[in-house]
Amino acid sequence: AQSVTQLDSQVPVFEEAPVELRCNYSSSVSVYLFWYVQYPNQGLQLLLKYLSGSTLVKGINGFEAEFNKSQTSFHLRKPSVHISDTAEYFCAVRLGGSNYKLTFGKGTLLTVNP
Amino acid sequence: GAGVSQTPSNKVTEKGKYVELRCDPISGHTALYWYRQSLGQGPEFLIYFQGTGAADDSGLPNDRFFAVRPEGSVSTLKIQRTERGDSAVYLCASSLGGNTDTQYFGPGTRLTVL
Repeated sequence: AQSVTQLDSQVPVFEEAPVELRCNYSSSVSVYLFWYVQYPNQGLQLLLKYLSGSTLVKGINGFEAEFNKSQTSFHLRKPSVHISDTAEYFCAVRLGGSNYKLTFGKGTLLTVNP
Repeated sequence: GAGVSQTPSNKVTEKGKYVELRCDPISGHTALYWYRQSLGQGPEFLIYFQGTGAADDSGLPNDRFFAVRPEGSVSTLKIQRTERGDSAVYLCASSLGGNTDTQYFGPGTRLTVL
């Protein structure tokens, strides 16, 4: 079975600083990878996804992630964060094939301070 | 257009009672998913529908949990004899049903069992 590990439960940063949220997965077969964001009192929103092709994936709000198969990682990055990026971020994995269920990590709370 | 909606947004019940949680997916989405998010955790998969049938119900924790989607649109998650450990946010998502389609999440129903 697949699993996802988000190495940091909380990441505090200052506004305009760069940030990296780490995600590692384990699976014996090919996977699809996702990052979702959850703002306070809102539902999950897709930031970006890796399905195939280029390993560098660009998403909304200036975020990007890089798929590294050898390290089984899919870290999320942003070069300069804003106060409005304060939210919980979830990494998720899905197996290839016909079962579309997502397996999520425990989440990383990103707090951007002025 | 309208997103995934869930009702009620909050539900407080007493231990042992029966509850129903409703999900209205995005129009035209054939796939529907239920997840459960406990405090401090990522969402955990419960059940997945393709059309009217449950394609995968392996995430349902026990036989007190049941979900239906009789007409291939609205879905209801039913919990019998609720226990305090059932307290969580129940999330619904829908997608077009293709292999690479994005899952769109609703705002969730917060269930509290006293």
